[in-house]
Amino acid sequence: AQSVTQLDSHVSVSEGTPVLLRCNYSSSYSPSLFWYVQHPNKGLQLLLKYTSAATLVKGINGFEAEFKKSETSFHLTKPSAHMSDAAEYFCVVSPRMDSSYKLIFGSGTRLLVRP
Amino acid sequence: KAGVTQTPRYLIKTRGQQVTLSCSPISGHRSVSWYQQTPGQGLQFLFEYFSETQRNKGNFPGRFSGRQFSNSRSEMNVSTLELGDSALYLCASSPTGGAGDTQYFGPGTRLTVL
Repeated sequence: AQSVTQLDSHVSVSEGTPVLLRCNYSSSYSPSLFWYVQHPNKGLQLLLKYTSAATLVKGINGFEAEFKKSETSFHLTKPSAHMSDAAEYFCVVSPRMDSSYKLIFGSGTRLLVRP
Repeated sequence: KAGVTQTPRYLIKTRGQQVTLSCSPISGHRSVSWYQQTPGQGLQFLFEYFSETQRNKGNFPGRFSGRQFSNSRSEMNVSTLELGDSALYLCASSPTGGAGDTQYFGPGTRLTVL
């Protein structure tokens, strides 16, 4: 069975400091992995996507994530947090060999950015 | 290209009523999925449609149903509303719905059941 675990429900950083949001996945097959962001009262916006090309994936707004198969991790990072980054972030897996046609979401990490 | 649109954005209903939510996918996208988001359960898959066929359904009671039209627009219906149905309902579209496809989400419909 496929699953996603976001290791922190809340992360608080100061503006200008690095961001690390942690995600571990479980999948029988090599999955596609995504990070989405949700601002208050908004839908989900795609930050970045991994589909077995480069293991280091660059996304929008300076975010990037590294796929580590040996650690089954897909952590999201940003070198310098901005106030506008405050939102909820979801790590998502789409199983490749599974014809379920659905995304499996982590429980989310709420990022707080302090001035 | 226009994004995924959902109507209405907000709904208030009372227990026992029924509700229909609408989703218009990105032009050219044939797969539409629906998700329910609540504080307690997070994001849960409801169902997915492709070319007017439901290919998968999540673990929800039969009160939740959906359909897709020939133009790929989709509706979901919830009958006999319960308080626990209060949630943000999100629709997503993608070209085929396959693994690796990026799913693009709409802004959601906020349903409140009183």
